Amino acid sequence: GQNIDQPTEMTATEGAIVQINCTYQTSGFNGLFWYQQHAGEAPTFLSYNVLDGLEEKGRFSSFLSRSKGYSYLLLKELQMKDSASYLCAVMDSNYQLIWGAGTKLIIKP
Amino acid sequence: GAVVSQHPSWVICKSGTSVKIECRSLDFQATTMFWYRQFPKQSLMLMATSNEGSKATYEQGVEKDKFLINHASLTLSTLTVTSAHPEDSSFYICSARVGVEEGGPQETQYFGPGTRLLVL
Repeated sequence: GQNIDQPTEMTATEGAIVQINCTYQTSGFNGLFWYQQHAGEAPTFLSYNVLDGLEEKGRFSSFLSRSKGYSYLLLKELQMKDSASYLCAVMDSNYQLIWGAGTKLIIKP
Repeated sequence: GAVVSQHPSWVICKSGTSVKIECRSLDFQATTMFWYRQFPKQSLMLMATSNEGSKATYEQGVEKDKFLINHASLTLSTLTVTSAHPEDSSFYICSARVGVEEGGPQETQYFGPGTRLLVL
């Protein structure tokens, strides 16, 4: 079967750095996406990785290792507004998105 | 770019009535749109894939006669919840897939703001 695993919840301190991991097993691979979802709102696109390596975009970076079926989202200089759920999603060989359950990130002052 | 709108944002209706939700891509054409449902504290659940000019593809367990999807144009898809019941109360979210020609990462989905449905 296909599955995406990510931690259910993480807690970090304002100003710190946090890494949210995602491992996947899918039938084929056409890219991995990270989305941010604030409570009560729809997801917003953060990043897309299809090749191995690190993609940096401001305070957020995303890493991919296809051989390990592994990705992480790195958030630096955490702000209170970063408190949200972070969803990892993989596009399989049929171009269908397989969604993880999301990681709820709690930022403490 | 890649803005998706959804209307209405909130719906409260009586049991047995039908509710229509619209999803529009505002600044690009979307040949494929997706409809999701999300219950509180749960992940997104794909309901169906909506293709312009053809029938929608429904996920297993989703009743196509209850959740009617119409994708009449390249910028509009509608979801109609027919004979809604309290168990249909949920957060319904649409997304549109951006193609390479739109300048975004290929196959990226951009989401509408969602529609919160409450059936009394």
